[in-house]
Amino acid sequence: GAGVSQSPRYKVTKRGQDVALRCDPISGHVSLYWYRQALGQGPEFLTYFNYEAQQDKSGLPNDRFSAERPEGSISTLTIQRTEQRDSAMYRCASSTGLAGPGAKNIQYFGAGTRLSVL
Amino acid sequence: GQNIDQPTEMTATEGAIVQINCTYQTSGFNGLFWYQQHAGEAPTFLSYNVLDGLEEKGRFSSFLSRSKGYSYLLLKELQMKDSASYLCAVTGANNLFFGTGTRLTVIP
Repeated sequence: GAGVSQSPRYKVTKRGQDVALRCDPISGHVSLYWYRQALGQGPEFLTYFNYEAQQDKSGLPNDRFSAERPEGSISTLTIQRTEQRDSAMYRCASSTGLAGPGAKNIQYFGAGTRLSVL
Repeated sequence: GQNIDQPTEMTATEGAIVQINCTYQTSGFNGLFWYQQHAGEAPTFLSYNVLDGLEEKGRFSSFLSRSKGYSYLLLKELQMKDSASYLCAVTGANNLFFGTGTRLTVIP
């Protein structure tokens, strides 16, 4: 597609429910990143993939958060047993080159999914 | 660990020049990015510096001093549409670490 596509744009859920957020990167982009952004703050790194391999998940807040990219294209970020503190904008980004040390990888961001946990 | 400091807010006049500073501490520095983010929208790439010096791109320029852990973004001939947040981000070993951003307001 023309840009990074995320769905849904808005998600309202009740505390304790599981949610799955989807990211469709720019066609041909090998690296995909997940961020969480609170209002008035910069994006906070969560995890990233090169192709289908999850390279770094050090930013995931706890084991309720997981991500996958099984075929090296679309990715899903899953939050289990959601809590109110999980409410935020979740952004996905993709880049053409492999992410890693020394890499200049311009990341192209999607419009995000606004998650509200009631 | 990583840390980035930027001013929280700045105001400048249309047609003027504004400099947004960023200081950082990081292990394994691999480059510094500037992104622009309009309210309610996704961040968009502005510039990348990995070597010391000035990179110029139209009305926007970015400077880096690795020894000082310092960068700035220079915006010339300010336009009203430049009102946005400007995010400084450094690449560490594997990921991109963002600062909180500087919200720039351009006034007539």
